[in-house]
Amino acid sequence: NAGVMQNPRHLVRRRGQEARLRCSPMKGHSHVYWYRQLPEEGLKFMVYLQKENIIDESGMPKERFSAEFPKEGPSILRIQQVVRGDSAAYFCASSPRLAGKHNEQFFGPGTRLTVL
Amino acid sequence: DQQVKQNSPSLSVQEGRISILNCDYTNSMFDYFLWYKKYPAEGPTFLISISSIKDKNEDGRFTVFLNKSAKHLSLHIVPSQPGDSAVYFCAAYGSGNTGKLIFGQGTTLQVKP
Repeated sequence: NAGVMQNPRHLVRRRGQEARLRCSPMKGHSHVYWYRQLPEEGLKFMVYLQKENIIDESGMPKERFSAEFPKEGPSILRIQQVVRGDSAAYFCASSPRLAGKHNEQFFGPGTRLTVL
Repeated sequence: DQQVKQNSPSLSVQEGRISILNCDYTNSMFDYFLWYKKYPAEGPTFLISISSIKDKNEDGRFTVFLNKSAKHLSLHIVPSQPGDSAVYFCAAYGSGNTGKLIFGQGTTLQVKP
């Protein structure tokens, strides 16, 4: 059973370009979480999605960032018009049901975004 | 505001000795805590957890202690091994029951042979 997969592992963009980060959850998992880790900081929650629904986007910046988890295919985190401050590691996690007291989240290896 | 804090950015211990990593939290509504371990260029992996109804949870070489009155938890690793060298994150489930994890800043543990 493959783990959470993220691609690309490394992404370089110039300021103003778009970045698309993909996350394929573990088989059978329908809950996806995105986190961002800025340099020298811990992971910060961005958004929680179930298939075709955004459940909690309280950690998403108000502009330029969007996320989706379609019925078929991976979850996508999209960053439009990237700026240098978007440079970070972006981690995706999945769980088979709502993560809570007894359900751990399984993390992918992350996508390291560098904005030039 | 940093609701989960790890005030020690790094810790160095000798192989075979005990490693103690500390974590403080500010939100008294947190009722479940987790420790994750992270190697460079990898995602965090779950290590051990504790519910607020307990004050201790043990799993092999790893023990987590929770002091609710002090809003403090700690991870003990004994004996420490060089393979334990990694970044350790303390985390708590946020409010709203959406599974949102709130992480501390992390502590880099180095275990010297």
